[in-house]
Amino acid sequence: DQQVKQNSPSLSVQEGRISILNCDYTNSMFDYFLWYKKYPAEGPTFLISISSIKDKNEDGRFTVFLNKSAKHLSLHIVPSQPGDSAVYFCAASEGGGSQGNLIFGKGTKLSVKP
Amino acid sequence: EAGVAQSPRYKIIEKRQSVAFWCNPISGHATLYWYQQILGQGPKLLIQFQNNGVVDDSQLPKDRFSAERLKGVDSTLKIQPAKLEDSAVYLCASSYSGTGSDDEQFFGPGTRLTVL
Repeated sequence: DQQVKQNSPSLSVQEGRISILNCDYTNSMFDYFLWYKKYPAEGPTFLISISSIKDKNEDGRFTVFLNKSAKHLSLHIVPSQPGDSAVYFCAASEGGGSQGNLIFGKGTKLSVKP
Repeated sequence: EAGVAQSPRYKIIEKRQSVAFWCNPISGHATLYWYQQILGQGPKLLIQFQNNGVVDDSQLPKDRFSAERLKGVDSTLKIQPAKLEDSAVYLCASSYSGTGSDDEQFFGPGTRLTVL
């Protein structure tokens, strides 16, 4: 029973264009959401997060949008760069912020082509 | 600042053997986590320590897995005996755990375990 779903295993985007990665969740008690980026042979690194009291959070080229009614969040990367090629994991937690038990999706592999 | 250190990076064992993984968190980080990431899946929390106490071990298969953090710094995760389905990357993470709820979890590079 997957509580966090990333339905696109992979995404290919041209350099300079927008990358949109999607994530859906089923547990309405989740109140904090995060995106992690993972390069091969490395651990995941934190990218950006959003609390359920917000619907948007922006950090440079990265923006996360949260639609609570649809239980959906998305990560926008603009403009996309070849160095953004990695696996992106969506994660959610219930009542613990980023310190609690993070429930991860299966990840989406982003490829940014020059 | 040094990151989360893990060793070994790779381990191959036969089923029913025992194995141990070591993690040294970022200096000053009170909270330490062990995750299991099976190929094609996201990481799944096994156990969370706050200093040397266990906060959450609800998903740790306690019949074969054990973990300790005796002095509240580094930690070991042990599997005894290993099964084929234990093949995965074992990730250690740490966080500062100050008063805010947005303390980021920093992950180590992981230990890739293959059980034959």
